[in-house]
Amino acid sequence: SQTIHQWPATLVQPVGSPLSLECTVEGTSNPNLYWYRQAAGRGLQLLFYSVGIGQISSEVPQNLSASRPQDRQFILSSKKLLLSDSGFYLCAWSVKGDGYTFGSGTRLTVV
Amino acid sequence: RKEVEQDPGPFNVPEGATVAFNCTYSNSASQSFFWYRQDCRKEPKLLMSVYSSGNEDGRFTAQLNRASQYISLLIRDSKLSDSATYLCAVYHSGNTPLVFGKGTRLSVIA
Repeated sequence: SQTIHQWPATLVQPVGSPLSLECTVEGTSNPNLYWYRQAAGRGLQLLFYSVGIGQISSEVPQNLSASRPQDRQFILSSKKLLLSDSGFYLCAWSVKGDGYTFGSGTRLTVV
Repeated sequence: RKEVEQDPGPFNVPEGATVAFNCTYSNSASQSFFWYRQDCRKEPKLLMSVYSSGNEDGRFTAQLNRASQYISLLIRDSKLSDSATYLCAVYHSGNTPLVFGKGTRLSVIA
């Protein structure tokens, strides 16, 4: 069966520090991968998605970036965090046309 | 008009009640539809897909109305454990990401 792993579960980082969140999927090949952010009490905001290794589509211009170095690995990064980057970060995977399966999320607080 | 819209609620209903949520979408070419459940401080989890003919899973019934461009979720005999936020999601085409609504919050009260 397919599983998605996302870590860490919680993170407190100072303003201006770098960020790296990792997501890996097991049990499937060539999945579509997604990064979402959910601010407190708000909806899901799509940040990046990838349909293959090295292919990244950015939905929202900001100080975040994403990379897909391997088929089942998706990384969200920032060189310098802002206070407004605080939120609940969710990785998800799908095969074309199917619903998404989300990871358990990372709750990031920038202080 | 937003792509996918939901009434944010909250819907406060007593145990045993029947409650229904609607979700409207703007793109008439949308192809696939889903309902997700999100508990507080947790990730969304797929509740059910929505098929053209409608589908039922226990106390939950999902329906699609293409003419009026909305999907619905009906919950019968509400349980306390049904309290959550319910998100609808719509695919415009297989190559584009799902578009999520902002969710409808349901509180089932004893």
